[in-house]
Parts: sequence; C-alpha cells; structure tokens
Amino acid sequence: DTGVSQDPRHKITKRGQNVTFRCDPISEHNRLYWYRQTLGQGPEFLTYFQNEAQLEKSRLLSDRFSAERPKGSFSTLEIQRTEQGDSAMYLCASSLASGPSYEQYFGPGTRLTVT
Amino acid sequence: AQKITQTQPGMFVQEKEAVTLDCTYDTSDPSYGLFWYKQPSSGEMIFLIYQGSYDQQNATEGRYSLNFQKARKSANLVISASQLGDSAMYFCAMRERGSQGNLIFGKGTKLSVKP
Repeated sequence: DTGVSQDPRHKITKRGQNVTFRCDPISEHNRLYWYRQTLGQGPEFLTYFQNEAQLEKSRLLSDRFSAERPKGSFSTLEIQRTEQGDSAMYLCASSLASGPSYEQYFGPGTRLTVT
Repeated sequence: AQKITQTQPGMFVQEKEAVTLDCTYDTSDPSYGLFWYKQPSSGEMIFLIYQGSYDQQNATEGRYSLNFQKARKSANLVISASQLGDSAMYFCAMRERGSQGNLIFGKGTKLSVKP
C-alpha cells in the first residue's frame, strides 16, 4: 500500500532557474491537488485535476507556474524563472471523487529554496 | 476575511491529559466539510477527522473527537489521553460545496506534549 509520493523532497535552485516537481497520487484516486505552504502558514491551494483535466487554478498560480497531469496519473508542477518568494513547501494531495468526506491524502512535500 | 481561524499559535499539554484545539470558520455555503490534519516535523499532512455540515452527531476517530457547534461556527478538535507522539502542528480546514474540493486551511496550532 503506497501513499502519495513526491520527488524531489528538497530542491535548492538559483533565482531565475526553472524547476519541476513530480507527484504520484494514490493509484485509485482520480483527483489531484497542489498546495503551497510557507513558514508559519497553512497550505494554500494552487490547482486541482480530475483525471487529466485541470479544473481549477488559484490566482496564486502566476503565469510562471504550470501544472500537468498527462494520462490522469502522476502530475508535474513547473516553476519558470524562479523568484525568492517561491521558496516554500509544495504539497501534493489526492482523493477519490466520491465518498462522504472527500478526505485528501497528502504527500511528504517538496521543499524549495530559491537563493 | 479569514475563513478559518485558529487562535492558539501554541499549546502545551501534559502527557495522558486531554487537550482542545480551537477552530472557527466563516462560510455562507450551507453545505461544507470540516477537516483536521496533523503535520509532524517531517512535513507530511496526516488526515485525522472529518465533520460534515449536515452531520447530526459529532465525529469521533479513536482518541480524536470534533466538538462541532454549527450555530457558533466552531469545530474544535479534542485529543484525549495525549501521547508524546501527538506533538505536532494541527491544522483545521474547510471544504465548501462550491469549491470543487480544494481545502482552505487555518494557520495552525503547535501542540507540545510534556512528559
């Protein structure tokens, strides 16, 4: 039984570089979410997929951010031209579309540091 | 206006005692769900308990119970018989029916369990 996995766990990059993170959801889950968490705050919603369709994007997701979920399985989150303000923990979560509580199961996160 | 308010930045509790973590919420959606998550220092968000807005009874999951007071818009988490492993950040979150599933989190409460 595998949970949500994310890769890499840590990423240090220089300002202006592009970075890409990967999330592998729980296999039978068709919903996948990306959140960002900065120090001292709760996670903030970025975007959401149902299968391969990206259904909702937060206004936090600037044009430098792009997310994909080809074939409705794993997802990638790319940040172009990184800025120091992008330093945060990026969390991925997955859930079933049905069920009374729609609880989301989170991965361990990718901690991004932009220097 | 904040949708989820957690007024206790930090709490201390003696091992084996009970502790209540406060959460108030703000929504005009009649259908919503309330969640509590635990985030240890490792970073992974762990789902604890769920309460639906139409649920008549307070949710319970093992040592966790949710004191749901709908008229007061509060959803406090009660942890009974605290254990050292309960030391972590605790986040209250809400999902509104119109949101397609993304969670809105509070800023969290850091719980420290003393031996």
